[in-house]
Amino acid sequence: GDSVTQMEGPVTLSEEAFLTINCTYTATGYPSLFWYVQYPGEGLQLLLKATKADDKGSNKGFEATYRKETTSFHLEKGSVQVSDSAVYFCALSDRGGSTLGRLYFGRGTQLTVWP
Amino acid sequence: EAQVTQNPRYLITVTGKKLTVTCSQNMNHEYMSWYRQDPGLGLRQIYYSMNVEVTDKGDVPEGYKVSRKEKRNFPLILESPSPNQTSLYFCASSPGGQSGYTFGSGTRLTVV
Repeated sequence: GDSVTQMEGPVTLSEEAFLTINCTYTATGYPSLFWYVQYPGEGLQLLLKATKADDKGSNKGFEATYRKETTSFHLEKGSVQVSDSAVYFCALSDRGGSTLGRLYFGRGTQLTVWP
Repeated sequence: EAQVTQNPRYLITVTGKKLTVTCSQNMNHEYMSWYRQDPGLGLRQIYYSMNVEVTDKGDVPEGYKVSRKEKRNFPLILESPSPNQTSLYFCASSPGGQSGYTFGSGTRLTVV
């Protein structure tokens, strides 16, 4: 079945450091891929998405490229800020078959950025 | 403002007392879904709905019921809550799988 595996945290970085959070997926169809962010005490917000191979999603300085050959969708940011401290979730949505409309999440990665 | 609204935000109840968590969206989305979030387990899907009167089980449906009588509403019903249903619950809606889901602010439920 469909599933998402993301690197376990917590991840602790100094401000302006480079961030990578790894995400790999297993899917039977042609999934769309997402990164969601959850700030403390809040719900999940869509950070970026990619709907086909080689697409790059980007938002707020974060980027992720849909790599079909390695079934990956790693999240990167060149220079993190304290305000980026949050939990990040990788997710996929399969577009067809019996799982249409379902969204599968990784377990989340806690990021803490120190000034 | 486009949003998913859940109520209540916080709820403490006793074992066995039926409760309903409401969810409403104002975006005319076809897909709606309920998740629970637990430490170390991430988000797990409880039920989802692809349209009015069309619902299906997610990964952890036991002990929960849902209904989709109107497009905008998707209530989560716990007929006989138990302490292992203590969790943070999120409702979400989407126009379609490629668009991603919009999430509500969450309902923190404690069953004692």
